[in-house]
Amino acid sequence: AQKVTQAQTEISVVEKEDVTLDCVYETRDTTYYLFWYKQPPSGELVFLIRRNSFDEQNEISGRYSWNFQKSTSSFNFTITASQVVDSAVYFCALSERARGTGKLIFGQGTTLQVKP
Amino acid sequence: GAGVSQSPSNKVTEKGKDVELRCDPISGHTALYWYRQSLGQGLEFLIYFQGNSAPDKSGLPSDRFSAERTGGSVSTLTIQRTQQEDSAVYLCASSIGQGAVSATEAFFGQGTRLTVV
Repeated sequence: AQKVTQAQTEISVVEKEDVTLDCVYETRDTTYYLFWYKQPPSGELVFLIRRNSFDEQNEISGRYSWNFQKSTSSFNFTITASQVVDSAVYFCALSERARGTGKLIFGQGTTLQVKP
Repeated sequence: GAGVSQSPSNKVTEKGKDVELRCDPISGHTALYWYRQSLGQGLEFLIYFQGNSAPDKSGLPSDRFSAERTGGSVSTLTIQRTQQEDSAVYLCASSIGQGAVSATEAFFGQGTRLTVV
């Protein structure tokens, strides 16, 4: 079965601290995609990144970076020098291409609070 | 429109009544999804439409839930005989399509907050 686990329910940091959000997934498929979405207080889910299961290169986008490790089935997300505007709920998600749909299996989400 | 539009943004209904939630996907997007976000349940998949193919209804929690997509565009999620446990935010998303881009970026609407009293 497919499953995404975000063990951290809530994280609180002070502005400018670095923070890593953990994501562990389970799938039997060899071809799949992993995603991170941000849900600010407004409620709309905002796409952050998509990673193909064949591409294990880490990615950096500004203050955001992602570490994908197939050996540990993890896709962790790090925010460097956090800012108050980063406060949101962050969801990790899995999609299995072999099933022919873009259906997303979400983790439970991690609520990040960045204090000034 | 520029993004996925959902209406109403908020709906309060009495237990036992039927409700309809509407989703207008991004123009040109052939894939449309409904998800439900409940407290303590996270985001759960409900149903998926892709073009003219039969929808994937595997996530619908009971036969009180149904959805239609007319003309490959607007979708309506209907909940019959609502129960208090149906209270949640119902999110709609759309994406370009399937095949090589089956898992492409999904764009989400702001959701409909349903409260059953």
